[in-house]
Amino acid sequence: DTEVTQTPKHLVMGMTNKKSLKCEQHMGHRAMYWYKQKAKKPPELMFVYSYEKLSINESVPSRFSPECPNSSLLNLHLHALQPEDSALYLCASSQDRRLAGIYNEQFFGPGTRLTVL
Amino acid sequence: GDSVTQMEGPVTLSEEAFLTINCTYTATGYPSLFWYVQYPGEGLQLLLKATKADDKGSNKGFEATYRKETTSFHLEKGSVQVSDSAVYFCALSDQGAQKLVFGQGTRLTINP
Repeated sequence: DTEVTQTPKHLVMGMTNKKSLKCEQHMGHRAMYWYKQKAKKPPELMFVYSYEKLSINESVPSRFSPECPNSSLLNLHLHALQPEDSALYLCASSQDRRLAGIYNEQFFGPGTRLTVL
Repeated sequence: GDSVTQMEGPVTLSEEAFLTINCTYTATGYPSLFWYVQYPGEGLQLLLKATKADDKGSNKGFEATYRKETTSFHLEKGSVQVSDSAVYFCALSDQGAQKLVFGQGTRLTINP
């Protein structure tokens, strides 16, 4: 299984709502990532989890809260979002062999299209 | 810091034409290089990769060669199809890093 799955595919929420995005992989990867992608732009890294610990937070506002319950799952909790947060949210995973000096490619999910009203 | 520069698009070609999308990079170490493709409404798919100088990555008729002397990783395909219409991203990751540095993307449209 070489797939990263994301749910939901589409999400519409109001600025006062609380919602969560979910990501799952069964490739045995130990690094997982959240990206935000605006139209006609490359993905922007938000968070990196390595061995279930948050290793990189790219100064993301606290209204985005990541969680890694286990090595296969990654969540992104959303609260009090702004309309400018509307974007495609992509999850990715990789083997994370940094200690061996080998970089492993990231596998991306299909994304969640988020609209904040 | 590390950066990737791609040729600006959009690029429009006729079916069976030859494709080149230029990509150059700057990096402090010895990066791995990637091409990702994003079809409309989808996530990114890894198209090909190269992890050291003079490596050639290839997949689905696409090729790119890691040229350290020119810091380039240009994407080529000999005969494009309508189904190749997508956005193509060149990216790098420096050794030991967990971050991918993306170029701005090149939108490719192939007309029948």
